[in-house]
Formats: sequence, structure tokens, C-alpha cells
Amino acid sequence: DIVMTQSPDSLAVSLGERATITCKSSQSVLYSSNNKNYLGWYQQKPGQPPKLLISWASARESGVPDRFSGSGSGTDFTLTITSLQAEDVAVYYCQQYYATPRTFGHGTKVEIK
Amino acid sequence: EMQLVESGGGLVLPGGSLRLSCAASGFTFSNYAMNWVRQAPGKGLEWVSSITNSGGIIKYADSVKGRFTISRDNSKDTLSLQMDNLRGDDTAVYYCAKSRSENEYDAFDMWGQGTSVTVSS
Repeated sequence: DIVMTQSPDSLAVSLGERATITCKSSQSVLYSSNNKNYLGWYQQKPGQPPKLLISWASARESGVPDRFSGSGSGTDFTLTITSLQAEDVAVYYCQQYYATPRTFGHGTKVEIK
Repeated sequence: EMQLVESGGGLVLPGGSLRLSCAASGFTFSNYAMNWVRQAPGKGLEWVSSITNSGGIIKYADSVKGRFTISRDNSKDTLSLQMDNLRGDDTAVYYCAKSRSENEYDAFDMWGQGTSVTVSS
């Protein structure tokens, strides 16, 4: 199984400041034939289902604010929230869909400092 | 409006069975792979099972293999999960999630609100 390791477990950021979450996969999720990273980022607010923010490591979903961005390739990935807003308080998960079983990171809780 | 609505959760004894359903609307259900993902109380997300758009390819997590059966009825826009021989560690909210394409190798771009399953005596 591909193990997804997120860090940190939690972070507190001031409103308007930057939040950075990293995700490392135990093996590459880059498919060489199409040069795509099979990596997504999800946001889960309390009492709600997860919401897809980013797919293919860096492609923002329609309607997702541009303060959310994803980067990285192979085994190392980053989700960045520039200028954190109050509504961004949530748990963020990375997920690989390169192989079965699909595996998620354990989540990073983002709070307001 | 595109939506997924799960049903069928509840309290069940260890060793018992439960059948979850997910009703899809607002999109062409038969064009997309579908998944079940669960979340134990206070824990993270765990993929449970996936089925391609035609139902031709089915995958399970090792934790449920041999006990759970995923199926779909494209004529009724419905996804199902038959859960047998339930254990305490199956206690979770179960989410139905749509893949963004017909195959299993894509992100999950729509989720239902979830249905709660509690396995306890």
C-alpha cells in the first residue's frame, strides 16, 4: 500500500497569513506515460463531507478560491493557503489515486491563531 | 442539482448485516465510477470500495474484502454496499463518493452527506 504522510498534524495561522501543508507518498504517484501526479487534496469542515479542492497535484477545482494552490511531483506535495480566511478552518487530507487501495493522509487540522 | 444521498445506516449487532444505498441525481450516473469511503468517529478517511461505471471492475480494501459487496444499478442511478459479518471497527460514517471519470483512477469530486453505521452489542 502507498502510505501518505502529512505534516504537520495541526497548525494555527493568523488571519491573512499563509498556511502550508506537506504530503509525502511512500512511492511515486507520477504516471510516466501521461506525466500526471495522481494526487488530490480535500477539505473537510466540521460536520460536513470532504470537498475536493485540488486534483492532479495542482489543478484547482472549479469554484475553489485561488488562495488554494497545490504543488509538487513524484512523492512530495504541498497544499498552500495564502491569506487564510476564517472559512478555511477545516481538516485537509491528501489522497493518492494512483494505486489500489486509494489511501489518504491522516489529515492536517488548520485553525486560526 | 447534482447530489448523492446515502441511506441504510443504523445500529447493528456484531456479526450482523446492513445494506447501504446511495441515490444519485443531477448527472449521468452510468458515466462515472463510484466509491464508498468511511470515517470512524474522530478519525480520518478510509477508502472502502470502488466500482467502475459499467460495474466491470470492483476493488475492495483488505479490511472489508470477503465481507462487503459493492454493486450498482445504472437503470436506477443507485450505488449499494452490502455489509455482512460486521465488526466493531466497521463503526463509521459511510460516504458515497463519485469519481470524476469512468475509471477508478481519478479523484472523488462529489460526496454525499454520509450515513452512520454503529456496530455494537
